[in-house]
Amino acid sequence: EVQLVESGGGLVQPGGSLRLSCAASGFTFSSYWMSWVRQAPGKGLEWVANIKQDGSEKYYVDSVKGRFTISRDNAKNSLYLQMNSLRAEDTAVYYCARGGHGSGSPSVLWGQGTLVTVSS
Amino acid sequence: SYVLTQPPSVSVAPGQTARITCGGNNIGSKSVHWYQQKPGQAPVLVVYDDSDRPSGIPERFSGSNSGNTATLTISRVEAGDEADYYCQVWDSSSDHPGWVFGGGTKLTVL
Repeated sequence: EVQLVESGGGLVQPGGSLRLSCAASGFTFSSYWMSWVRQAPGKGLEWVANIKQDGSEKYYVDSVKGRFTISRDNAKNSLYLQMNSLRAEDTAVYYCARGGHGSGSPSVLWGQGTLVTVSS
Repeated sequence: SYVLTQPPSVSVAPGQTARITCGGNNIGSKSVHWYQQKPGQAPVLVVYDDSDRPSGIPERFSGSNSGNTATLTISRVEAGDEADYYCQVWDSSSDHPGWVFGGGTKLTVL
């Protein structure tokens, strides 16, 4: 089955760290750009970061630059998001999404999301 | 940074046509994608590259893009179309390329 499954969310204190994972199956993971998109409670979608097939290009939204790091392990069919110096405003459901062969390709496949709550 | 502007809400009666706009500076020069999101669910791509539909998306969903406005059109609206809709573009124009989403439009079927 073609799917993405996120994990690693939870409750963390401000200033803390968390690592999200996204396990891909049913398709050739190494052939696609991958993204993280988040959605704060009751708010709209916000792109967080994306990464090229071989990891050679990475892009981030300004609000997470220097704090979050996107990475991938094609041998393990996995995408990661290392989140450091977390803030209350990072509280959101984080979705893993598969892009296409180019950076501008849309995301046809999404995971179910994992909730990150930053609170003391 | 590039900004996409959507109306917060659109209401339409069943069987009628809903039009959801997405405004951006010279958006007609970009490829626009549209997502549908129902409560508690992940987004679903309904239109890509301005006007193409992924497999499995009804022909009732269509898109257009010109000048400073892209439009998602839903014909013969059904109760099941009630959802939030987001437009998206890839902004490569700055030295910080990235995805940009519109603020979202809540479609209410009366």
